[in-house]
Amino acid sequence: GENVEQHPSTLSVQEGDSAVIKCTYSDSASNYFPWYKQELGKGPQLIIDIRSNVGEKKDQRIAVTLNKTAKHFSLHITETQPEDSAVYFCAAKPNDMRFGAGTRLTVKP
Amino acid sequence: DTAVSQTPKYLVTQMGNDKSIKCEQNLGHDTMYWYKQDSKKFLKIMFSYNNKELIINETVPNRFSPKSPDKAHLNLHINSLELGDSAVYFCASSRRTGGAYGYTFGSGTRLTVV
Repeated sequence: GENVEQHPSTLSVQEGDSAVIKCTYSDSASNYFPWYKQELGKGPQLIIDIRSNVGEKKDQRIAVTLNKTAKHFSLHITETQPEDSAVYFCAAKPNDMRFGAGTRLTVKP
Repeated sequence: DTAVSQTPKYLVTQMGNDKSIKCEQNLGHDTMYWYKQDSKKFLKIMFSYNNKELIINETVPNRFSPKSPDKAHLNLHINSLELGDSAVYFCASSRRTGGAYGYTFGSGTRLTVV
């Protein structure tokens, strides 16, 4: 089955800096790669996704890149703000969603 | 109006008891899921139902029994609760199984077994 690895497990940045979270997947049949943000006491919320026929996608301060050959995908957050502090999960979907272990992002004011 | 709602939000119970968690989605989605999130935040799929039919049943003890009376509801019943069952349980739904569709998660049920 699909195995998704996510790095780093924790990330601390200063407000205004950029944050990058990286994931790898194992199943070449995976064709959908969403990213979720989970705030304290809440369920994961979809923030951006990318399909396998696209290499990059941007939504304001958030961008995702996908390298299908290397089976890598990444989340980039620019101009970080304290409200970006949360746990971020990558996922890959051949049929059902398999999640990475999560990255706890802390943005220091 | 909440898209995926779970009840209760918190559940504290003693070992050996039986408990249920309810989930409802009003998105018109065909597929519903149960995920378990452990203390290290790892999200692991437990079950997947498509139009009331079981699609995925991961390696979950048979003390856990999902029930889907209709495609908008997926409940989770747990028998003979153990300390290791303590976790946050999330219900989720998606438009359909497979394909490039994201999941909508509920807000979770924190289960504590004492």
